Amino acid sequence: EAGVAQSPRYKIIEKRQSVAFWCNPISGHATLYWYQQILGQGPKLLIQFQNNGVVDDSQLPKDRFSAERLKGVDSTLKIQPAKLEDSAVYLCASSWTSQEQYFGPGTRLTVT
Amino acid sequence: RKEVEQDPGPFNVPEGATVAFNCTYSNSASQSFFWYRQDCRKEPKLLMSVYSSGNEDGRFTAQLNRASQYISLLIRDSKLSDSATYLCVVNSNSGYALNFGKGTSLLVTP
Repeated sequence: EAGVAQSPRYKIIEKRQSVAFWCNPISGHATLYWYQQILGQGPKLLIQFQNNGVVDDSQLPKDRFSAERLKGVDSTLKIQPAKLEDSAVYLCASSWTSQEQYFGPGTRLTVT
Repeated sequence: RKEVEQDPGPFNVPEGATVAFNCTYSNSASQSFFWYRQDCRKEPKLLMSVYSSGNEDGRFTAQLNRASQYISLLIRDSKLSDSATYLCVVNSNSGYALNFGKGTSLLVTP
């Protein structure tokens, strides 16, 4: 079974630039999550989708972050404009009905 | 107060040792509890769920104390391959979304 796919794996941008990350969940998984993991900390939930609807985006900095999940499958997370403190690993995860979440390899973002 | 708190360590133990990690959570309404393992520069992976009655998976034992809002993980007969960060995870109020602790770093040495 294919796992959660993410791209790109690495991205370096300058502050105030924009960036987008892509996630393809495990086939059939209705729930998709985006997490931000800053070095030395645990993952922090940014947004949760159930099919193509948003369940929880309470910790998403909506002035600069946006996410969508068209057709309830793939998802994109965008940052515009980026700040230095956005440097982190952005993890996508998916799950079916159980609470076990399967994580993708992440996108390592460096903002200079 | 953070929702999930863990001692970040690091815990340095010799092969064959027994090591225990603890975690506390603040939301008494939490229903589901997990330990995830994260290797350096890799994604987190589920190690085991934690049940009220306690549960064991090989060398790993997890315990939950709802009254004290406390979760533990015991690793017996440590292997070099157990070296990783162990994340204590609790579900949030919004259903399946998870709250992660900062993680406890374990280094098993020869």
